[in-house]
Amino acid sequence: EPEVTQTPSHQVTQMGQEVILRCVPISNHLYFYWYRQILGQKVEFLVSFYNNEISEKSEIFDDQFSVERPDGSNFTLKIRSTKLEDSAMYFCASTGTETYEQYFGPGTRLTVT
Amino acid sequence: GQQLNQSPQSMFIQEGEDVSMNCTSSSIFNTWLWYKQDPGEGPVLLIALYKAGELTSNGRLTAQFGITRKDSFLNISASIPSDVGIYFCAGREDYGQNFVFGPGTRLSVLP
Repeated sequence: EPEVTQTPSHQVTQMGQEVILRCVPISNHLYFYWYRQILGQKVEFLVSFYNNEISEKSEIFDDQFSVERPDGSNFTLKIRSTKLEDSAMYFCASTGTETYEQYFGPGTRLTVT
Repeated sequence: GQQLNQSPQSMFIQEGEDVSMNCTSSSIFNTWLWYKQDPGEGPVLLIALYKAGELTSNGRLTAQFGITRKDSFLNISASIPSDVGIYFCAGREDYGQNFVFGPGTRLSVLP
């Protein structure tokens, strides 16, 4: 069964460093998303991406964040200068065009020290 | 922005009991998704609902799209220990691509 994959599973970085989180969405899906979940809290929408551009972003997704689809399979989230409060699980998700079933990856746990 | 409420926030039940939880919104939604999340893992899609009044089952799980389009319900019958986890609802408004998530219902199943 196709699934969304994410790497790395855990990333530890120092405050102020740049990180890139990687995702491979389900292959025939066209809508891609990044979400964040701070420990013990709900899933929060960051950004959606369609047709090689951002279609919507939340207030959390400020200038420190960017997304890219560098090739036909990967979808990345970059945080330019990490802050302590960026520590969270980051989930990638993708959706096809025939249904709106949104499938999540296993997440990357980002720890900023 | 839109807010979803889920109730109850948490529940403790005995194995074998049935469970009901719900999700409400101040906005009208055209799609509801229900997810289960285990600790340290990504949410797993359980059921998707697309029409007001729709009732859909997935094994022991049954979810309904409320007729007001502002709520949805999830029922689990004959609970088992592996049902433990956090259940999230997510809703999508008309003309939107994105989903907003509820805060979750934490389910504990006692043997």
